[in-house]
Amino acid sequence: AQTVTQSQPEMSVQEAETVTLSCTYDTSESDYYLFWYKQPPSRQMILVIRQEAYKQQNATENRFSVNFQKAAKSFSLKISDSQLGDAAMYFCAYRRRRDDKIIFGKGTRLHILP
Amino acid sequence: ETGVTQTPRHLVMGMTNKKSLKCEQHLGHNAMYWYKQSAKKPLELMFVYSLEERVENNSVPSRFSPECPNSSHLFLHLHTLQPEDSALYLCASSQGQLASTDTQYFGPGTRLTVL
Repeated sequence: AQTVTQSQPEMSVQEAETVTLSCTYDTSESDYYLFWYKQPPSRQMILVIRQEAYKQQNATENRFSVNFQKAAKSFSLKISDSQLGDAAMYFCAYRRRRDDKIIFGKGTRLHILP
Repeated sequence: ETGVTQTPRHLVMGMTNKKSLKCEQHLGHNAMYWYKQSAKKPLELMFVYSLEERVENNSVPSRFSPECPNSSHLFLHLHTLQPEDSALYLCASSQGQLASTDTQYFGPGTRLTVL
């Protein structure tokens, strides 16, 4: 069975600094997708970044980038130049290519310190 | 605005009540999902509908009954709930597994409190 593990329940970072959120997953599949979702307090969950397993290049979206290590089954999220609006719960997620189902980690609550 | 709406946003109900949660997506997607989000627990997938057919039911108690009348609407009918069912219920939609890449778009959720 596939699992997603986020080992950091909470993290804090100073505004304008860089922070890395870790995620590991377990699967026997070779073709899948990985996601980071952001859920701000009392607000809608939105997609931050997506990585296709067959792509070696790490995905980037503005200040957000991932470090995808397929052999190690690791998928960390780096947030550069942290802003107050980045404070949220961040969920790592996995989806097998031929599935509709996404498996989520427990989440990491990120605090931004002014 | 992600194109997925949910009503009501907040719901308080007694254990003997019957209520329904509604989800609507305006994205032309083929798959819709219900999740339960409780404090300190991972998001729990409850139901998946693909092209209006239920394709996944993760051992959800029968007091939760989903309905998908068309690809744009999804309901979750609730009856004789328990206090431990209090949670945030999230709806999501996606293009479906036939899409070469697929992302789920979430609604804002319904905060349910069972007294």
